Amino acid sequence: DTGVSQDPRHKITKRGQNVTFRCDPISEHNRLYWYRQTLGQGPEFLTYFQNEAQLEKSRLLSDRFSAERPKGSFSTLEIQRTEQGDSAMYLCASSLNGWTAFFGQGTRLTVV
Amino acid sequence: TQLLEQSPQFLSIQEGENLTVYCNSSSVFSSLQWYRQEPGEGPVLLVTVVTGGEVKKLKRLTFQFGDARKDSSLHITAAQTGDTGLYLCAVTGGADGLTFGKGTHLIIQP
Repeated sequence: DTGVSQDPRHKITKRGQNVTFRCDPISEHNRLYWYRQTLGQGPEFLTYFQNEAQLEKSRLLSDRFSAERPKGSFSTLEIQRTEQGDSAMYLCASSLNGWTAFFGQGTRLTVV
Repeated sequence: TQLLEQSPQFLSIQEGENLTVYCNSSSVFSSLQWYRQEPGEGPVLLVTVVTGGEVKKLKRLTFQFGDARKDSSLHITAAQTGDTGLYLCAVTGGADGLTFGKGTHLIIQP
C-alpha cells in the first residue's frame, strides 16, 4: 500500500452535471475524511467516516453533496447538479483511530 | 472567526535566509500538526507536537509548541528553493476532523 489514492486527479464538467470522486485510503485505516480546498485557503472539513459509518457532516456540505463508504474501505463523494462555486480541490485523508491523517493528492474539479 | 490564525499570509525571501512562520489561537489544543503542500498536491505531514514547550527538529526545520499549547512556530534555517510551498497548521476540530489555518505561502527565490 503506497498511501491514500484519489481518482480522478482532474475533472472538468459542465454546470448542472453530476460528478463522482473516489478515494482509496491506507488499508488499515478506519477513519476517512473529505475536505475541500479553494485557491489561497486551507482545506475545509466536509465529512468523515469511521469504518462504514458517516459520523459527521459539515454545514458546508449542501444537499447536493453525498458521501458513502459502503464496506468501510474506499469512499465516494458525489456532487449533483454542479455549480461554478463547487470548483475546488477535493482532498481525501485517512487515519487510524484519529491519529495522524495522511492525505491523497486530491481531485481538482473545474465546473464550466 | 478563524480558529487558527497563521502569519504571515505570504512570505518571499532569498535562498539562504532564515524565516519563522506562526500559528496562533485563543484555544488550547492537545496536539497540533504542521503540513506542507505544493501546488496541485495534497498536504504532506511534517510534524505533530503534543507537549507544551516541545521543540522538534526536522533537518533545517524547527517546530515549537507554545507552553500553553495555544500556538506554534516553524523556523527554517538557510532556506532552499525546495522549501517553497504552502505551510499549514492544523488541530483536531470538534468533528474529529482536522481544522486548518489558511496557511503561509512561502516562496524561496534563488
